[in-house]
Amino acid sequence: RKEVEQDPGPFNVPEGATVAFNCTYSNSASQSFFWYRQDCRKEPKLLMSVYSSGNEDGRFTAQLNRASQYISLLIRDSKLSDSATYLCVVNTFSGGYNKLIFGAGTRLAVHP
Amino acid sequence: EAQVTQNPRYLITVTGKKLTVTCSQNMNHEYMSWYRQDPGLGLRQIYYSMNVEVTDKGDVPEGYKVSRKEKRNFPLILESPSPNQTSLYFCASSPRNGRSIPGANVLTFGAGSRLTVL
Repeated sequence: RKEVEQDPGPFNVPEGATVAFNCTYSNSASQSFFWYRQDCRKEPKLLMSVYSSGNEDGRFTAQLNRASQYISLLIRDSKLSDSATYLCVVNTFSGGYNKLIFGAGTRLAVHP
Repeated sequence: EAQVTQNPRYLITVTGKKLTVTCSQNMNHEYMSWYRQDPGLGLRQIYYSMNVEVTDKGDVPEGYKVSRKEKRNFPLILESPSPNQTSLYFCASSPRNGRSIPGANVLTFGAGSRLTVL
């Protein structure tokens, strides 16, 4: 089983739709969580950190469920510019350092 | 501008010809790391460095070497490249690799280096 698992998609949605991605992780000792966005052939960039109580940044809402070991990302009112791959990242203290483990990503395609 | 700079961005080489991919950051970050990205596998860590002269293997270190003689530079060396090292490589840095320190582990990535080994 992969340490961080994501539905690869693609999720094809019309502009204005609400879309949600889930990500599960296997290590219950994981401490912090992030969503990164990666445009085609570009570098990943931090979208948002995920806090234990959940957090919102404009149209984006991230939730953490430690009991079930998953995090989610909700995008409301999708824009064409939201088309990208969304990477779930889990930070686990292992072997004396904080190891960031990346999911393989969920691809989102927003169409007119 | 705060950034991580990688070179070359694109390279086609042949099996066995040693190459170095440079990485430099101007943010005085302690922590640096190299990843490779392959379709369906996500980002996999090759090597990382907690600080100057401190490096360690990641998940896929075979066939690679690194060094960290200065804080800003973290080159990736392929002594004898093979076709299975054809990939997209990213260098990244963060302020430090700290426990429960907000922002400490947020990575800034370079633009990527696409390497093809024939």
